[in-house]
Amino acid sequence: QKEVEQNSGPLSVPEGAIASLNCTYSDRVSQSFFWYRQYSGKSPELIMSIYSNGDKEDGRFTAQLNKASQYVSLLIRDSQPSDSATYLCAVIRTGRRALTFGSGTRLQVQP
Amino acid sequence: GAGVSQSPSNKVTEKGKDVELRCDPISGHTALYWYRQSLGQGLEFLIYFQGNSAPDKSGLPSDRFSAERTGGSVSTLTIQRTQQEDSAVYLCASSLSTSRDNEQFFGPGTRLTVL
Repeated sequence: QKEVEQNSGPLSVPEGAIASLNCTYSDRVSQSFFWYRQYSGKSPELIMSIYSNGDKEDGRFTAQLNKASQYVSLLIRDSQPSDSATYLCAVIRTGRRALTFGSGTRLQVQP
Repeated sequence: GAGVSQSPSNKVTEKGKDVELRCDPISGHTALYWYRQSLGQGLEFLIYFQGNSAPDKSGLPSDRFSAERTGGSVSTLTIQRTQQEDSAVYLCASSLSTSRDNEQFFGPGTRLTVL
């Protein structure tokens, strides 16, 4: 079982819709969770971090964390074609500092 | 302010040669990380530096890989006797090292091609 699992996609949504990206992790002691966006040929860009159960909102982005279910998600409201990218879920386990990444979900927003 | 910078942006080398990749972290960030991203392996951790502490080298794939960080700032990743499987994008990240807020910010990467 991979430490961090994501559906590779592509996830295709129409412009203006809500995109829902999901991630599960295997290590129950993981404590910090991040979403990165990566455009083709570019490096990952941090868009959200979340540490506590519940929702965290930042503009059009909402991260949701459920530690009991070992599940973290990212919602993108009012999706735009410029949101088309690969979204990487990453976790940090307690006592460690390095990020462990999922393989990423490719999002396509159709104009 | 300036972000993480890396050089060179691209490096093409012949199998068996040594290469050095450089990373300059965000000013004030005490933690520095090296990752690599390849098609087959995704994004994987290589090594981590925190201040003057001994680095966490647990992600280095072989003893051909080494890294140093001078003066708590700039870091160099060295790959000796490069192999074709070393071809990847090498990414450097830095963070403010607090107990919880470990948001890591990535540089643009160095694309290494081993012929």
